[in-house]
Amino acid sequence: EVQLLESGGGLVQPGGSLRLSCAASGFTLSSHDMTWVRQAPGKGLEWVSSMTGSGDYTNYADSVKGRFTISRDNSKNTLYLQMNSLRVEDTAVYFCVRGLNGWFFEYWGQGALVTVSS
Amino acid sequence: EIVLTQSPATLSLSPGERATLSCRTSQSVSNYLAWYQQRPGQTPRLLIYDASNRATGIPARFSGSGSGTDFTLTISSLEPEDFAVYYCQHRRNWPLTFGGGTKVEI
Repeated sequence: EVQLLESGGGLVQPGGSLRLSCAASGFTLSSHDMTWVRQAPGKGLEWVSSMTGSGDYTNYADSVKGRFTISRDNSKNTLYLQMNSLRVEDTAVYFCVRGLNGWFFEYWGQGALVTVSS
Repeated sequence: EIVLTQSPATLSLSPGERATLSCRTSQSVSNYLAWYQQRPGQTPRLLIYDASNRATGIPARFSGSGSGTDFTLTISSLEPEDFAVYYCQHRRNWPLTFGGGTKVEI
């Protein structure tokens, strides 16, 4: 059974950093394209960052480019999102998702809440 | 950036009725479009991909159509669990974007 379990969310002050983790089970991360999608409270869905299964390509939304970094540890079968210079507008639930046909989103984690506030 | 416009914003229907949701893109996405359902308090669920293919386990009452810039999600007969928010999303190029959502309410 495919499972994605996010962790690392929490409350952080503006300008601070957090690292989200997404532990995958039931499949091998390096065989699938992976993405982070976020949803601000009461709002719609927003693509944040993606990584190919081979790991040789990553991409970022303009709103997070230069501040967020997607990575993974194949030995732990875990995907990460390092978030630096956090802003109030980064407040959202962050979902780890597995791709279907590349960049459609078939399997979703339960989400990790990130709150940026002073 | 390709902008996805969903209409209507809210659709008020009764169980058993047919729901027709629209997603228009600001430029052609070919058939690289998906639909998701998000029930209150739940994570999104993939319904349709590549415009018309049902995802695994999705009931046949859900169907998708369209290509280019105009797409439709149809729910043939609404069940109580179908009252939710629906999003479209393209994968034609970067950045990937979602529509603003259509809420289907009772």
